[in-house]
Amino acid sequence: GAVVSQHPSWVICKSGTSVKIECRSLDFQATTMFWYRQFPKQSLMLMATSNEGSKATYEQGVEKDKFLINHASLTLSTLTVTSAHPEDSSFYICSARVRFQLTPQKAFFGQGTRLTVV
Amino acid sequence: DQQVKQNSPSLSVQEGRISILNCDYTNSMFDYFLWYKKYPAEGPTFLISISSIKDKNEDGRFTVFLNKSAKHLSLHIVPSQPGDSAVYFCAASARFRDDKIIFGKGTRLHILP
Repeated sequence: GAVVSQHPSWVICKSGTSVKIECRSLDFQATTMFWYRQFPKQSLMLMATSNEGSKATYEQGVEKDKFLINHASLTLSTLTVTSAHPEDSSFYICSARVRFQLTPQKAFFGQGTRLTVV
Repeated sequence: DQQVKQNSPSLSVQEGRISILNCDYTNSMFDYFLWYKKYPAEGPTFLISISSIKDKNEDGRFTVFLNKSAKHLSLHIVPSQPGDSAVYFCAASARFRDDKIIFGKGTRLHILP
């Protein structure tokens, strides 16, 4: 099946620094990528939707200046957590698919990135 | 406002028996529903899905039932196996609207030996 690779798998950073997470679709072109965040024992919360070549659409309550999303190509989207603070520590997951793709799976998920801000 | 609700945080089932995981939704625009299995520190793994034009979809040991009038769906796993122990997420999307996939909070399934 299709593969979505997320990098890094885990990262520890100091408070105040910025962290970039990459999401790549390895064997298909993803016109749309979604970024999720998961807190312990909680749901995967959709943060934003990014379409290739256009600005990301953020969900209500998600700070777009804090979570910068870039979708520069059909195979790569990046999430940059700027000026990270301990409360940003979380598990971030991306998913990728062709928009309105009529297949059972609909979206292919990356393996996630565990961010810890100290 | 939780559009997809999984009201049981956890469920324990004896190996070999049937596991039934439930999910309710509030948004009547949802027309496609999915179930994912997830292990800690990993991305979700797709299990099975169902379109709103159907009321049942079966794939091996997994069957999903949809009751549109009640805005309720369930995932049946039979027989349950030890490897089924994981967190199961119900998800929904409105394909011809914004097509986002919205997740419930998940149910942790424990298969007991």
